Amino acid sequence: EAAVTQSPRNKVTVTGGNVTLSCRQTNSHNYMYWYRQDTGHGLRLIHYSYGAGNLQIGDVPDGYKATRTTQEDFFLLLELASPSQTSLYFCASSDWDWGSNTLYFGAGTRLSVL
Amino acid sequence: TQTVSQSDAHVTVFEGDSVELRCNYSYGGSIYLSWYIQHHGRGLQFLLKYYSGNPVVQGVNGFEAEFSKSDSSFHLRKASVHWSDSAVYFCAASTNMGYKLTFGTGTSLLVDP
Repeated sequence: EAAVTQSPRNKVTVTGGNVTLSCRQTNSHNYMYWYRQDTGHGLRLIHYSYGAGNLQIGDVPDGYKATRTTQEDFFLLLELASPSQTSLYFCASSDWDWGSNTLYFGAGTRLSVL
Repeated sequence: TQTVSQSDAHVTVFEGDSVELRCNYSYGGSIYLSWYIQHHGRGLQFLLKYYSGNPVVQGVNGFEAEFSKSDSSFHLRKASVHWSDSAVYFCAASTNMGYKLTFGTGTSLLVDP
């Protein structure tokens, strides 16, 4: 089964703080994604990547940077955190193919920006 | 604009009842559809998918879903629910390129034992 590990599981920071969320997948998947989950909005795509060094903009990218350093590792960076970024963040990976894209999710990181 | 709509935010049924969770989409062209389940405090897990062929697809734990192009729907069904099916269910869609999934807002299913 696909394994996606996120760290930390919980994070509290202050407005203007600098936060890095980490994600590692061990299944040699090409695609990795960062989503945020908020009540009433479901999951919204922040950034995604199809390989080391690649970055694609998602639907809600403002205030976020991301970097894919290796095939396994995908990071989400909040350089000036704001309270509106308080959310539950999920990383996912997939091995995309035509007509098939099953995402494997990590357990999530709960971020609070005070 | 591509959208996925889950009209029911909450559904409550008794154990042993049947249930249908609704999903409607607005997309042009070929579409890839899937359902995911999220138990409390956990990440999402894949349930089933449809891209082409038989419009009724089977998933894990007795779940099935039916694709309807005329209704733009992909409803999830289970004939007899168990208390452990209590979770949030998300419908997701994308074009045939598939790599960018758009999720609905989710339906919280509560099964009373």
